[in-house]
Amino acid sequence: EAGVAQSPRYKIIEKRQSVAFWCNPISGHATLYWYQQILGQGPKLLIQFQNNGVVDDSQLPKDRFSAERLKGVDSTLKIQPAKLEDSAVYLCASSLGRGRGRPYNEQFFGPGTRLTVL
Amino acid sequence: GQQLNQSPQSMFIQEGEDVSMNCTSSSIFNTWLWYKQDPGEGPVLLIALYKAGELTSNGRLTAQFGITRKDSFLNISASIPSDVGIYFCAGAGGTSYGKLTFGQGTILTVHP
Repeated sequence: EAGVAQSPRYKIIEKRQSVAFWCNPISGHATLYWYQQILGQGPKLLIQFQNNGVVDDSQLPKDRFSAERLKGVDSTLKIQPAKLEDSAVYLCASSLGRGRGRPYNEQFFGPGTRLTVL
Repeated sequence: GQQLNQSPQSMFIQEGEDVSMNCTSSSIFNTWLWYKQDPGEGPVLLIALYKAGELTSNGRLTAQFGITRKDSFLNISASIPSDVGIYFCAGAGGTSYGKLTFGQGTILTVHP
């Protein structure tokens, strides 16, 4: 079974530029998550989708970050404009989702995109 | 908000030694998960715990869901060099469906 795919793996941009990340979850996983992981810290949830609807985006800096999951499968996360403090690894994860039984909290992560903002 | 305190922050051990790390929370969790992250990769799920007092093993790894539901422990027996990495605990509460709160991580170094 294929895992969570993310691209690009690395991105270097200047501050105030825009950037977009793409994620393809595990087939059949209804729930998709975007996390930000700053060096030396654990991942922090930015946004959670259930199919194509947003479940939780309370930690998403909405003035510059946006995310969508139009057909309930792939997702994109965009930053516009980027700031220096956005330098981090952006992780995508997926899980089976609601109503699927006990393992709904078992999230499987992609390799991440390492963003450097200069 | 919910906070997780993970300790120790780092460990330096000899190959063959056993390792213990733990995670404590200010809030009750319904689920505890343990992940391992290698450099340049995403976290990989090691063990999932769903009931207070539950003890679960995965090879040389054993994890326990604390009775108070505010803590969890991970033990690694007979460590080997490939155990090197960062170990994260993560908890999910009853009112935050699917949302995981992560600890700060424990950096494990194993000397051959």
